[in-house]
Amino acid sequence: SELTQDPAASVALGQTVSLTCQGDSLKTDYASWYQQKPGQAPVLVMYGKHNRPSGIPDRISGSISEDTASLTITGAQAEDEADYYCNSRDTSGDQVIFGGGTRLTVL
Amino acid sequence: QVTLTESGPALVKPTQTLTLTCTFSGFSLTTSGMCVNWIRQPPGKALEWLARIDWEDDKYYNISLRTRLTISKDTSRNQVVLTMTNMDPVDTSTYYCARTPECRANAPYYYMDVWGKGTTVTVSS
Repeated sequence: SELTQDPAASVALGQTVSLTCQGDSLKTDYASWYQQKPGQAPVLVMYGKHNRPSGIPDRISGSISEDTASLTITGAQAEDEADYYCNSRDTSGDQVIFGGGTRLTVL
Repeated sequence: QVTLTESGPALVKPTQTLTLTCTFSGFSLTTSGMCVNWIRQPPGKALEWLARIDWEDDKYYNISLRTRLTISKDTSRNQVVLTMTNMDPVDTSTYYCARTPECRANAPYYYMDVWGKGTTVTVSS
């Protein structure tokens, strides 16, 4: 099984953008989301239904609808410009899979 | 404070075996539900999960790389070691280790909450 993400997205400063992650595994596993800036390791920004790690701003939120998870950034800031990856286990539960990532540009 | 640090050679030759060590602190790999993962990222490309080891010493591997990978742990030294055989230039990547604090099969999600900074490995003759 695999997770599909749009390769790129853009948002105007202060506006709202939703990034999506689609896959069969999301019917049984919640997606987790990571933000990665150039030259840095990924950082967990959302997991489970609505779990946001400490230190992650509340303008970042998550949702799920059937086989598609969404990460929404409300009031995007310049520092939100990054690559975003989703992950889950596959339908067997043994493998861990990542989406191909979405490069978010803040205009 | 939870930290993970990857170490290993920066350069390996084709056909050689790569050995990477993840040294962690702030948690124990004997804690129920705990896992440590290895993930890699080729330059300019997406993340790829490689393997994980859990608190019961169960091991899981990326199906496409299974024959080349071995993961092990030394709980007394707080280390997880990954070996990858028969290295090829396409294996050139940054290799990360990351913690999953709840990796039981019945958990409704699988997340990696703390990552190391990564170590860059180049495969070239």
